[in-house]
Amino acid sequence: DVKVTQSSRYLVKRTGEKVFLECVQDMDHENMFWYRQDPGLGLRLIYFSYDVKMKEKGDIPEGYSVSREKKERFSLILESASTNQTSMYLCASTSPSGHSYEQYFGPGTRLTVT
Amino acid sequence: GENVEQHPSTLSVQEGDSAVIKCTYSDSASNYFPWYKQELGKRPQLIIDIRSNVGEKKDQRIAVTLNKTAKHFSLHITETQPEDSAVYFCAASNPNSGGYQKVTFGTGTKLQVIP
Repeated sequence: DVKVTQSSRYLVKRTGEKVFLECVQDMDHENMFWYRQDPGLGLRLIYFSYDVKMKEKGDIPEGYSVSREKKERFSLILESASTNQTSMYLCASTSPSGHSYEQYFGPGTRLTVT
Repeated sequence: GENVEQHPSTLSVQEGDSAVIKCTYSDSASNYFPWYKQELGKRPQLIIDIRSNVGEKKDQRIAVTLNKTAKHFSLHITETQPEDSAVYFCAASNPNSGGYQKVTFGTGTKLQVIP
């Protein structure tokens, strides 16, 4: 059973703080993703990674960076948090092998920036 | 890049009725179309997917149809039950843009099944 975990379910930070969101998967998946979910906007891709130390920008990368030093761990970094980054953040992972392209999501981190 | 539009944004049906959610996509090279269900407070989970070499796929009470010419696909839920109440997301993937694993999601449909 695939398990994707995120470091926090709820987080409150102040404007200008550096914020780290961490995601860990236990299925040896190559690909990992960070999305933000906002009402009426669906799931928007921030960054993804297809291998250790590899990363690619998604559709809304501005204001974010990522780090993937180990295969199982993918971190999202908000260098200087702003109120418009208040959102639900979802991590996901998947493997390019086999016939399933299912993305396995973490439980989400609800970030509030005040 | 790919753009996926999803309608309606909210849908209320009586228990036992059918529900239909429609999506259109812009990239004619997309050929993988998954649907995810997100129950309140939970993570999205894949419920069904379809590839472009198939026009329709069924799994018990849910079915997806795909019209590649028109670039639209739909989710059909028959005999709806209260546990079908959730937000549903369609998505599309172009294998030449980050592989099958990178998908573009629609904006979601909140389905409410009224007992």
